[in-house]
Amino acid sequence: TQLLEQSPQFLSIQEGENLTVYCNSSSVFSSLQWYRQEPGEGPVLLVTVVTGGEVKKLKRLTFQFGDARKDSSLHITAAQPGDTGLYLCAGVYNFNKFYFGSGTKLNVKP
Amino acid sequence: KAGVTQTPRYLIKTRGQQVTLSCSPISGHRSVSWYQQTPGQGLQFLFEYFSETQRNKGNFPGRFSGRQFSNSRSEMNVSTLELGDSALYLCASSQSRQETQYFGPGTRLLVL
Repeated sequence: TQLLEQSPQFLSIQEGENLTVYCNSSSVFSSLQWYRQEPGEGPVLLVTVVTGGEVKKLKRLTFQFGDARKDSSLHITAAQPGDTGLYLCAGVYNFNKFYFGSGTKLNVKP
Repeated sequence: KAGVTQTPRYLIKTRGQQVTLSCSPISGHRSVSWYQQTPGQGLQFLFEYFSETQRNKGNFPGRFSGRQFSNSRSEMNVSTLELGDSALYLCASSQSRQETQYFGPGTRLLVL
C-alpha cells in the first residue's frame, strides 16, 4: 500500500490544455515536494510546500498544499510538449523521511 | 558544481550474484540517500547515510546494504540477486538531512 496516492497514473493531453495532478495521503507531512523525472534521468525538484494551505507558482505550474498538510495538487496551465515527464510527489515525514507517490506519467502532444 | 554521479549507469547480472553500485555526491554534501525505482512499486527509500553513519533504513531485506566513506561517497551492495531486484537505483545527496535532495541519473540494474 502506497502511503501517498497519486492520480491520475497516466495523462495524455494536447498542447494548450490544462491539467491537475493530485497527491493524497491519510498521514500528515512536515512538507511535501514535487519532482519531475525525464527518461534516463533522476527526479528534479520543482517545489517544496511547507505550510498548510500554501500555494506556490512556478511559471505555468501552480502547487497547493492542503490545509491539513495531507494532500497536494499540481496544476499546469496551457501544457507544452516540454512538460512531458513523470511527476512525483514526495511527503517528508519527521523532516527526514521521504515517501514518494507512484507518479503521474504526463504526455503532452504537439 | 558537478552534479551527483552514479556508476555504472547500466548493469546486467544473473540471479545469485552480488552487485555494488557507487554514488558520488555533490561536493560539500554530507547526506546520501538511496532509492529503488520500479514500474510496479514506484520510488522506494532504501537507506540514508550521513557522515558515514546509516541514519534511516527502509523496508528492504538484509541483502541490501550500504556504506559511506569519509569523503561522503557512498556504495550500495545487493547480495544474492533476485529477478525482482531489477530496477533503477537512484542516489540523492543533500547538504544536511533536512535540505533539498539532488538526484543522480541512476544505475539501471537488470537481473537475468
